[in-house]
Amino acid sequence: GQQLNQSPQSMFIQEGEDVSMNCTSSSIFNTWLWYKQDPGEGPVLLIALYKAGELTSNGRLTAQFGITRKDSFLNISASIPSDVGIYFCAVHNDYKLSFGAGTTVTVRA
Amino acid sequence: NAGVTQTPKFRILKIGQSMTLQCTQDMNHNYMYWYRQDPGMGLKLIYYSVGAGITDKGEVPNGYNVSRSTTEDFPLRLELAAPSQTSVYFCASSYEASGGYNEQFFGPGTRLTVL
Repeated sequence: GQQLNQSPQSMFIQEGEDVSMNCTSSSIFNTWLWYKQDPGEGPVLLIALYKAGELTSNGRLTAQFGITRKDSFLNISASIPSDVGIYFCAVHNDYKLSFGAGTTVTVRA
Repeated sequence: NAGVTQTPKFRILKIGQSMTLQCTQDMNHNYMYWYRQDPGMGLKLIYYSVGAGITDKGEVPNGYNVSRSTTEDFPLRLELAAPSQTSVYFCASSYEASGGYNEQFFGPGTRLTVL
């Protein structure tokens, strides 16, 4: 499968903070995706990116497709307790998805 | 619509036992997928199917078999369970009409432990 390097591996966030995570690859991809997995559930698509340089928002989430087509980042603004979970980047290639290892987000009490 | 449903939710197997993980979708999707998720890792593709009667290997197919006799069902079979198959298994489906991306919808997962 494709090697996607996702960072950070985990993060503690304070409610109200803005947070950022990113994903890089040594290969070029034409579609980058961000999924979120809640505990005990399957992943759910947050944002899909189709064009290099594209910046797309979904509520408090903003994601960008890197100009080189080898990276993407996801920002969460004004974090709230329900933002906890695992965030995965993924790339789409030939009807299949390849996933990064995930960023685990925990809200600091 | 129930979406993608998976049974069982949890299962413990002994080494060498066999079992079938069930997956059903009611969205009339032509593509279906099986992934496994190990702790601290992303999902890895085991097998996928582009339509009834057609299946193909993904990244980690060894130790598994699949069949797709109907559009709705895509069971995953483990013939001789091994501890390395302890994982959470996710089924997904999508409607693929062209080469572009169409969202994959995931089931809630089956947590399998092999002792």
